[in-house]
Amino acid sequence: TQLLEQSPQFLSIQEGENLTVYCNSSSVFSSLQWYRQEPGEGPVLLVTVVTGGEVKKLKRLTFQFGDARKDSSLHITAAQPGDTGLYLCAGEGGKLIFGQGTELSVKP
Amino acid sequence: EAGVAQSPRYKIIEKRQSVAFWCNPISGHATLYWYQQILGQGPKLLIQFQNNGVVDDSQLPKDRFSAERLKGVDSTLKIQPAKLEDSAVYLCASSPGSGYEKLFFGSGTQLSVL
Repeated sequence: TQLLEQSPQFLSIQEGENLTVYCNSSSVFSSLQWYRQEPGEGPVLLVTVVTGGEVKKLKRLTFQFGDARKDSSLHITAAQPGDTGLYLCAGEGGKLIFGQGTELSVKP
Repeated sequence: EAGVAQSPRYKIIEKRQSVAFWCNPISGHATLYWYQQILGQGPKLLIQFQNNGVVDDSQLPKDRFSAERLKGVDSTLKIQPAKLEDSAVYLCASSPGSGYEKLFFGSGTQLSVL
């Protein structure tokens, strides 16, 4: 059974701080997606990484796919209150498997 | 471009009652997914349709859950009878192709079973 474990589960930081969210598995995935979900809404796709070692940047967000395509990280620089939400990673390996999410709260 | 539409937004029922959710995907999207998201967990795939055929329903509790996608467009998900553990957000998503390259999610239906 493919599983994706995210850490930390909860993160509360002050505006301006940096943070990293991790997504780990023992399975190899053909691609890895990161979503952000706000309360009462569905997840919204932020990025897809496909190649082992790939790094993608989206403004202050940096996404990395592990060399072995088993893990990924999301780094946010100078977090802002607007970054608050649930961050989900999802691995594709025949079907799309979601991690349990990281609840991020950025306080002004 | 209109997004994925779901209704109702909220539903409260007693256990053993039945409930139905409706989803209208983005126009032209071939693939439609129903996910269950229990509080504190990530979404779990219940069923995947491509056009009006079922691609994957391996995690659908078929003794109580059913889903259909008539004419390859709208879809309904039904639970009969509901159990307490069915309390969750039910998310519908659609994608333009046959794979998982880009899923667009609706806002979901929050179900509370009392």
